[in-house]
Amino acid sequence: DAGVTQSPTHLIKTRGQHVTLRCSPISGHKSVSWYQQVLGQGPQFIFQYYEKEERGRGNFPDRFSARQFPNYSSELNVNALLLGDSALYLCASSFRLAGDEQYFGPGTRLTVT
Amino acid sequence: AQSVTQLDSQVPVFEEAPVELRCNYSSSVSVYLFWYVQYPNQGLQLLLKYLSGSTLVKGINGFEAEFNKSQTSFHLRKPSVHISDTAEYFCAVSGHTNAGKSTFGDGTTLTVKP
Repeated sequence: DAGVTQSPTHLIKTRGQHVTLRCSPISGHKSVSWYQQVLGQGPQFIFQYYEKEERGRGNFPDRFSARQFPNYSSELNVNALLLGDSALYLCASSFRLAGDEQYFGPGTRLTVT
Repeated sequence: AQSVTQLDSQVPVFEEAPVELRCNYSSSVSVYLFWYVQYPNQGLQLLLKYLSGSTLVKGINGFEAEFNKSQTSFHLRKPSVHISDTAEYFCAVSGHTNAGKSTFGDGTTLTVKP
């Protein structure tokens, strides 16, 4: 079975631009979470979607937004990119909202120049 | 609110020696606990998890961890490490009502030397 997939693998953007990252969860998983991992730190929670509804939001500015589609795939959008947005963006999926483990994708490496 | 502290940022150890990676957490609610491993330029792989039941949890690759509620700790151990265990290890917690919102520590770099 396919695991969590993310696209693109790598991305280079310029300050002020917009970026869209995509995630496909494991088949049957209804929860998708997004994390930002800056070099040398642990992942930081950005968003969680469950059954297409936002169920949690971390301490990130409004430049960050996300959505989940009827097939449970998800997009993370970041507007007005800053140098500090350079990071590995991880997507994780789980079957249930609670009492379940998350499965992580390989991540998208975003570099903002 | 929850927080996770990984007490050692780097742990060097010789091959076949035992290792312990320490993790303390704080939370106002009951939590689930996890250890993940991350190899360079890859995502996170679950090593083991504590959801309920026995406080000694066994995971993949010979790792185990013990949940200590009174000490609010969840230390990871392996009796004999291999070169291939060299990686970054993350401890994480999540609340019982929302497993998709995890709080991670800053990681421990385990370096196994020959």
